[in-house]
Amino acid sequence: NAGVTQTPKFQVLKTGQSMTLQCAQDMNHEYMSWYRQDPGMGLRLIHYSVGAGITDQGEVPNGYNVSRSTTEDFPLRLLSAAPSQTSVYFCASSYSILTGYGYTFGSGTRLTVV
Amino acid sequence: QKEVEQDPGPLSVPEGAIVSLNCTYSNSAFQYFMWYRQYSRKGPELLMYTYSSGNKEDGRFTAQVDKSSKYISLFIRDSQPSDSATYLCAATGNQFYFGTGTSLTVIP
Repeated sequence: NAGVTQTPKFQVLKTGQSMTLQCAQDMNHEYMSWYRQDPGMGLRLIHYSVGAGITDQGEVPNGYNVSRSTTEDFPLRLLSAAPSQTSVYFCASSYSILTGYGYTFGSGTRLTVV
Repeated sequence: QKEVEQDPGPLSVPEGAIVSLNCTYSNSAFQYFMWYRQYSRKGPELLMYTYSSGNKEDGRFTAQVDKSSKYISLFIRDSQPSDSATYLCAATGNQFYFGTGTSLTVIP
């Protein structure tokens, strides 16, 4: 099993550019999420999805879009990159949030916006 | 106030020490409590979880939840340099709620 695969691992963007962070899982998990992790701030939820075709906003959704057309894929789009979006981004998936199954995290995408 | 609060440390201990990592949470409806370990430049990985109150042991690791005081603990016995990582506590309600993480260094 590959688990949760994130691409790219590193990216440098110029202010105003757009890009898509890719996330794919092969565990048939319904629940998928995107987090950003900043020093001293912990993991902050950007968007999440409870199944194909269903997405919702988390704690810090501004400047990001998501879609969930299949169970496997959950891409995160940065619409117009800003330096404040410099962060490490993690995609995670879970069988259910109502059990102790927990999350499987990807290895992260390190994004720098200059 | 965050749903789950965690002392960020950093914590530095000698090899072989007993480590105690702690969190508090605010919502009495939380049922599942988890600990994740995150090595530098890696994604978090689930270490262990407990349901409701009580203890759970896995090798050198013991997770403890006290719902009456809304307190979550992780104990590491005979700590090893390979335990050096950031440890995040989490609880589940209608979503996952994470603490900010405690950085642990075990010195050989």
